[in-house]
Amino acid sequence: NAGVTQTPKFQVLKTGQSMTLQCAQDMNHEYMSWYRQDPGMGLRLIHYSVGAGITDQGEVPNGYNVSRSTTEDFPLRLLSAAPSQTSVYFCASRDGTGVDYGYTFGSGTRLTVV
Amino acid sequence: AQSVTQLGSHVSVSEGALVLLRCNYSSSVPPYLFWYVQYPNQGLQLLLKYTTGATLVKGINGFEAEFKKSETSFHLTKPSAHMSDAAEYFCAVSDQGYSTLTFGKGTMLLVSP
Repeated sequence: NAGVTQTPKFQVLKTGQSMTLQCAQDMNHEYMSWYRQDPGMGLRLIHYSVGAGITDQGEVPNGYNVSRSTTEDFPLRLLSAAPSQTSVYFCASRDGTGVDYGYTFGSGTRLTVV
Repeated sequence: AQSVTQLGSHVSVSEGALVLLRCNYSSSVPPYLFWYVQYPNQGLQLLLKYTTGATLVKGINGFEAEFKKSETSFHLTKPSAHMSDAAEYFCAVSDQGYSTLTFGKGTMLLVSP
């Protein structure tokens, strides 16, 4: 049981390049979400999904795309990287049922855009 | 959307002193509340959570927090700080129908000998 797996762990991009940050979970969780962490800003929600085929925008969605074709995977796409997207990205998932639950986080992807 | 306010971006304590990290939230529905800790260059580790039931919640490493609905607060405490407690702490509240979290901006805890 691997939990939430994020790849890659580190990435350097040039301005204008595109890339996909991968997030996979093996817990059959319905809910998945992407956050970015910047110094002094905490973690901010980029996009989230409540099930396969359903996605929605969070607080800071501009410049990012997501899709959820399977329960397990929730990739985050940067269409044209900008230096302002330099950040640490975390993916999280949680079970949609029950009242006593927690969120499982991946170990993060540190992205630098030069 | 919900919101979380953490009072103080940095808190300094001496080793052995009481740790108190403040968190206030706003929520239009019964909140689920969380505290996470992050050590340098690492991911998020869950310290404790409140979902339902007892309002005083005990977590790992000797930390505890009390949910006070009337004060919309969920402050984190530890009776005696250790050097190993130095880290950044985040308070979070459930959002978007409990499918996501809204985080505070974090409090860096500094522990001096």
